[in-house]
Amino acid sequence: QKEVEQNSGPLSVPEGAIASLNCTYSDRVSQSFFWYRQYSGKSPELIMSIYSNGDKEDGRFTAQLNKASQYVSLLIRDSQPSDSATYLCAVNSGGSNYKLTFGKGTLLTVNP
Amino acid sequence: SAVISQKPSRDICQRGTSLTIQCQVDSQVTMMFWYRQQPGQSLTLIATANQGSEATYESGFVIDKFPISRPNLTFSTLTVSNMSPEDSSIYLCSVRVSPFTGELFFGEGSRLTVL
Repeated sequence: QKEVEQNSGPLSVPEGAIASLNCTYSDRVSQSFFWYRQYSGKSPELIMSIYSNGDKEDGRFTAQLNKASQYVSLLIRDSQPSDSATYLCAVNSGGSNYKLTFGKGTLLTVNP
Repeated sequence: SAVISQKPSRDICQRGTSLTIQCQVDSQVTMMFWYRQQPGQSLTLIATANQGSEATYESGFVIDKFPISRPNLTFSTLTVSNMSPEDSSIYLCSVRVSPFTGELFFGEGSRLTVL
């Protein structure tokens, strides 16, 4: 069974700090990795995708991928209270169907 | 991305009844999926909605309980049949827009409560 593991949190950081969210996955052949943000009562919103080892930056967000360690992370710099949400890690193991397996999510709270 | 509209956005249903959820996309998409998110849980894939043919169901989900239609490249329906309180959940339509990436985009979800 393909698994995606995340620390459920809650992760609490002060405003302006760096929030670090981590995710591990079990399927070694996984090819695509995604971070979604889900506000309470809302649907998931794609914020980052990463396909190759290393870092990928987009504004205040940086995704990091290490396929050898089967590990993907999301860093949020200069955290804002509006970043308070559940962050879902999703992994695709390739193939023509492109199904995503989601982790249970990490609840992030940014305190003013 | 794409604009994905789902309806109903929420409903309260009686045990034993069935409800059909509609998903409309503003552009043709290669793939459509139906997910379920139970309270406090992550997303679980129910099935892949295949255009013009039977849906592909994940382990634990069957066509008799969750019949799915996809008559064209912009529309799909999910029916939750013979509902029980355990079916109380958010049901999410998602689409893959680009054939080159695995990015999925989600509709607003349909929150069902079964009494």
